[in-house]
Order: sequence, then C-alpha cells, then structure tokens
Amino acid sequence: NAGVTQTPKFQVLKTGQSMTLQCAQDMNHNSMYWYRQDPGMGLRLIYYSASEGTTDKGEVPNGYNVSRLNKREFSLRLESAAPSQTSVYFCASSLGSGRSYNEQFFGPGTRLTVL
Amino acid sequence: QKEVEQNSGPLSVPEGAIASLNCTYSDRVSQSFFWYRQYSGKSPELIMSIYSNGDKEDGRFTAQLNKASQYVSLLIRDSQPSDSATYLCAGTIFTGFQKLVFGTGTRLLVSP
Repeated sequence: NAGVTQTPKFQVLKTGQSMTLQCAQDMNHNSMYWYRQDPGMGLRLIYYSASEGTTDKGEVPNGYNVSRLNKREFSLRLESAAPSQTSVYFCASSLGSGRSYNEQFFGPGTRLTVL
Repeated sequence: QKEVEQNSGPLSVPEGAIASLNCTYSDRVSQSFFWYRQYSGKSPELIMSIYSNGDKEDGRFTAQLNKASQYVSLLIRDSQPSDSATYLCAGTIFTGFQKLVFGTGTRLLVSP
C-alpha cells in the first residue's frame, strides 16, 4: 500500500517549457488535491477534484491545468513555466468531504525549479 | 486577517518538556481541524484530527479545540529531539466543497 505517489521528485525547467506532474493514490479516495508550498506562504491549494470526473480551481490556479484521469490519478500541467512557479508541489487525497472524510494524506512532493 | 495563523517560531524546548503549539482561526474556518508534522524536505504527515470542543489525546499528543475563542493547540508531552519539525495547523472552509486552509507552520526545536 504505497499511499500517494508523485513523479518526478525533482525537475528543472527553462522559462516557457511545459511539463506534467503525475500523482496517484491507492487508498480508494474520492477527492484529490494539488498544493504548492513556498517559504513564508504555507500550503496553497492550486486545484482540486472532489470526485472522479470533476475538477475545480483553488486559491492559486493561474498558469496550471489539471486532469483527473480516473479515480486513482490526478495530474497537474504547467503549459508555459515561469520562474514564479518555482516551488514544491504536493499532491494529496482524502476519502471525500465532511467530518473525518476530509483528512488529507500527502505525497512525497515534487521540487520544481524554473530558470 | 489570515484564515489560520500560527507563530512561525522557532519554539525551543528541552528534551522531556511539554511543547505547546498554538493556532488561531478566522470566522470562515470551522468544523474540523488538523495538525500535520513536516520534517525538513519532507511532506506533511497527519498526526491529529479534532472535530469537537475539548481535548483529544493520542499517545504523547493532545489536541485542544476552543471554538468560542477560535484557537486550536497541540501539546507534545515528553518532547524528543525527533519531534523537531515544523507543525502545520489546518482547518476546513466551505465554499461549495470543504477544503483545508493551512497556517504557515511553527518550527519546533527540541534540544537534548
């Protein structure tokens, strides 16, 4: 039982390049999330997927797109990377929403640098 | 006002002491609260959840929720050097879907 997995662990991009961050969970969770974490800013929600087939914007969605490929997988795409997107990206999942259902479990993270 | 606020620390305590970490939240935050531990370079790890006023104990950890005063705290008894980490407080906010909002974390240093 791997929990939440993310690939890649590290990535360096040049400004304007694109890439997709992959996330998968094996806990049969319904909801999945993408966060970025920056020094002094805490964890900020980029996009979330309440259930398979749905996605919604979070607090900082500009410059990102997501795909909920199936119940297990939720990917984050940067179409044209900018230095402001240098950050650590975490994927998380939860059983759903409401009371204990929204306990979120995090993947190991992707450390992204945009030059 | 930030939705969830924490003192960034560091909070320094000697080994064996009680570490007390605090968090306040705004009117928009409600219902469920969580404490995560994050070691440097690692991902957040859920250590405590609390949903009702009062105390909840789990091993050396006690979470306390006071909805009237809008604060949540985490007590770590018999602190160990391995407890040295950043502790993130999170609450839920409802905007059509319950989402978590996080504080920026308190760094705890436990000295041997």
